[in-house]
Parts: sequence; structure tokens; C-alpha cells
Amino acid sequence: AQKITQTQPGMFVQEKEAVTLDCTYDTSDQSYGLFWYKQPSSGEMIFLIYQGSYDEQNATEGRYSLNFQKARKSANLVISASQLGDSAMYFCAMREGRAGNNRKLIWGLGTSLAVNP
Amino acid sequence: GAVVSQHPSWVICKSGTSVKIECRSLDFQATTMFWYRQFPKQSLMLMATSNEGSKATYEQGVEKDKFLINHASLTLSTLTVTSAHPEDSSFYICSARPQVLRTDTQYFGPGTRLTVL
Repeated sequence: AQKITQTQPGMFVQEKEAVTLDCTYDTSDQSYGLFWYKQPSSGEMIFLIYQGSYDEQNATEGRYSLNFQKARKSANLVISASQLGDSAMYFCAMREGRAGNNRKLIWGLGTSLAVNP
Repeated sequence: GAVVSQHPSWVICKSGTSVKIECRSLDFQATTMFWYRQFPKQSLMLMATSNEGSKATYEQGVEKDKFLINHASLTLSTLTVTSAHPEDSSFYICSARPQVLRTDTQYFGPGTRLTVL
């Protein structure tokens, strides 16, 4: 079974509107971390936001916020006031278990976001 | 902060030659670096975890003798593709995890596009 599921292969949004990118995860660990990365067409992977499983508040970083619903095992990324430069692939990833010990990340398949002017 | 460089950004080589890719953390120390491979329009595939001063840990199915990894210092890891063949053509991207962070956030280099003729 997929540990990280991103059900939207492609999304469109109008410039200046908000958009939600879905991510659901599957783990039996109580301690874990969730990440979102952006990959523009240039190829670089840009870290956007992190949510720890014990964090009580949803993470926010500028226009990015993470809608963390633990019981539903979802960690959706919300981008407010979309800009043309937000057009990119977006990947959700998870670290299972406590941080440290060289834990690797488990990656979703990504969502391609296109922002229309 | 948390800048990772990767060199070269692209390389074209003849079949049978070896290619070395460098990954450097510029403003932090990283005991752990990761090497990924990415095919067009696909997610990241972890190849190996590189640990400073010790042998790399390779993922299942990745040939150790084909993809040599050396992590000689806290800021430098190298990936050497030995006797490259056209099927090794891909986008290779490294990441580094700052020692001081407790979240296991990985910061990525800009990637290397390898084309083997």
C-alpha cells in the first residue's frame, strides 16, 4: 500500500486564488514528520513546510499552510493568493519514527500545479 | 541558510566513461546526505544514504559498484557513476540534512542532468 498518496496528478488555479493540494499518509508510528517540497521546471527541490505529528498547531510559512488532520491522516498544503511562480510540481513526504538516525523520507508521486493568469 | 550546491549541473559523456557528481553543503555541516534519481515526470527515487566517514547505505536494487558514493567530509559527498551506459541517463539530485535540525528536513542541490551517449 502507498504510504504517501497524492490523488491529484494535476491542478489548475487562477492567479490570486487559494489552492489546496491533497496528501494522505499511512503509518503506524506515533512520531512522524510531514514535509512539502516544490519542484519548478528547473528541477531543484525547494523545502516549503514541515509538520511534526505532535505539533498541536498547523504549520504556516508565509503563503503556505499545512492543514493537518491527524485522525484522517491527511496533511494538505494550502497555498494562498497563488502567483504565477507557484506553477510547479509539489511533493508530499513523510519521515516515519522520531527524527534522527538517518531516517529517509517516503515520497508521494507529486501534484502538478498550474497557475493561470 | 541551508544551501546545497551540486556540480556539474549537466554532463554529457560517452558510454563506458565514469562521471563524478559533487554535492556540497555550503553553510552547514551535514553528517548525512542522500542521493536520489528522478525520471521525467516521476517522483524521487532514493539511491543511497551517505554518511560522513563511513560506507553508504544503498537501497535495494541499486548497484554499489556502479554508483560509488564517498562522503569524505561534513560538507562534501560525491557520487561516481562508473562505466556509464545510456540507461544511466537521468536527473540525479542530492540532499543534505543539517546536523542541528531536529526535524530531518532535507535541503536539496539543484540537480545534475546526466546524458550518456
